[in-house]
Amino acid sequence: GQNIDQPTEMTATEGAIVQINCTYQTSGFNGLFWYQQHAGEAPTFLSYNVLDGLEEKGRFSSFLSRSKGYSYLLLKELQMKDSASYLCAVRAEYRGATNKLIFGTGTLLAVQP
Amino acid sequence: KAGVTQTPRYLIKTRGQQVTLSCSPISGHRSVSWYQQTPGQGLQFLFEYFSETQRNKGNFPGRFSGRQFSNSRSEMNVSTLELGDSALYLCASSLHAGGGGELFFGEGSRLTVL
Repeated sequence: GQNIDQPTEMTATEGAIVQINCTYQTSGFNGLFWYQQHAGEAPTFLSYNVLDGLEEKGRFSSFLSRSKGYSYLLLKELQMKDSASYLCAVRAEYRGATNKLIFGTGTLLAVQP
Repeated sequence: KAGVTQTPRYLIKTRGQQVTLSCSPISGHRSVSWYQQTPGQGLQFLFEYFSETQRNKGNFPGRFSGRQFSNSRSEMNVSTLELGDSALYLCASSLHAGGGGELFFGEGSRLTVL
């Protein structure tokens, strides 16, 4: 079966750092994505990891460990606008030429003043 | 550059009816995939098209179908609607199928089945 787990909700303070974890158990692996979704809006792409290690993009970083089936999204210098749902998604196919992604149910992050 | 356009944005149907949703991808994008989003299940993959060919299909009943046209626009159809089909249906377009290419999502079509 395909399983992606992430915390349902998290709360953090403006200006702080928050780490959102994602663990996955899938039949195959060919990349992990993080998306941000504000209420009532479309998901927007944040990051992509296919090799182990850290990918940094401004205030956002994403880490992947394929041997542990684990990823995290790190958000620094939190702003109120970062309050949103964060979705972890895995391309669980050995053949890379597909956009079929398995999504977790998302982590709802609330940033407080 | 125009984004992914989905129509209609909102619709209400009754059980047993059928519905057709439309998706216009970003100009130049040939890959279109469809997802169903519900509060309990999150985003679930429905199907994926590339150059008018269905490349992948999710675990949904045969009542769910789709197609892609030569201009890359895509439609999905749900027949014999059930209450459980109430959801946000999201279309995503991408330049390529696979790789590290991001998916660009539309705003979705929110379907309510009464």
